[in-house]
Amino acid sequence: AQTVTQSQPEMSVQEAETVTLSCTYDTSENNYYLFWYKQPPSRQMILVIRQEAYKQQNATENRFSVNFQKAAKSFSLKISDSQLGDTAMYFCAFMKPWGGKLIFGQGTELSVKP
Amino acid sequence: NAGVTQTPKFQVLKTGQSMTLQCAQDMNHEYMSWYRQDPGMGLRLIHYSVGAGITDQGEVPNGYNVSRSTTEDFPLRLLSAAPSQTSVYFCASGKTDILAKNIQYFGAGTRLSVL
Repeated sequence: AQTVTQSQPEMSVQEAETVTLSCTYDTSENNYYLFWYKQPPSRQMILVIRQEAYKQQNATENRFSVNFQKAAKSFSLKISDSQLGDTAMYFCAFMKPWGGKLIFGQGTELSVKP
Repeated sequence: NAGVTQTPKFQVLKTGQSMTLQCAQDMNHEYMSWYRQDPGMGLRLIHYSVGAGITDQGEVPNGYNVSRSTTEDFPLRLLSAAPSQTSVYFCASGKTDILAKNIQYFGAGTRLSVL
């Protein structure tokens, strides 16, 4: 069975600085997908970034990038130039291809301070 | 552009009552699923469906029933609510093909309290 672990329940960062959120996972699969979802106080789940395990290149989306280390089963999220609107709960998630079932970590609550 | 629609947004039940959480999507997605979110535990899969007439259990299925009679709708039924079912419930949908990038789209959630 797959598991996803986020070991940082809470983090804070100053506005305009960079922060990295950690995620590790356990699987025996070779092909899979990894996601970071953002959940602001509105409760809506918003996809931030997606990584395909067979791609070595790390995914980037504007200020968001990942450090994907397949051998170490690590998938961290880096947020550059943090903005107040980045304040949210962030979830790391794993999915097997075409399975549709997401396995989530416990979440990291990020506060961006002015 | 409705996406995934969940109703109601909030609900308070008494122990033993039954209710149905509604979920509808207008994106012709084959895959639909229900998750519950509890503090410190992330989201956990309750039930899922890969198409009309096909459902299966997820990680925490006890106390919940589902059916999928149409592609668009995937209701979640609580037959006899218990305080342990107090949670925030999310419905998600997606297409399970490579062009869709395996992305799941979430509804806005239902906050349920069982007294």
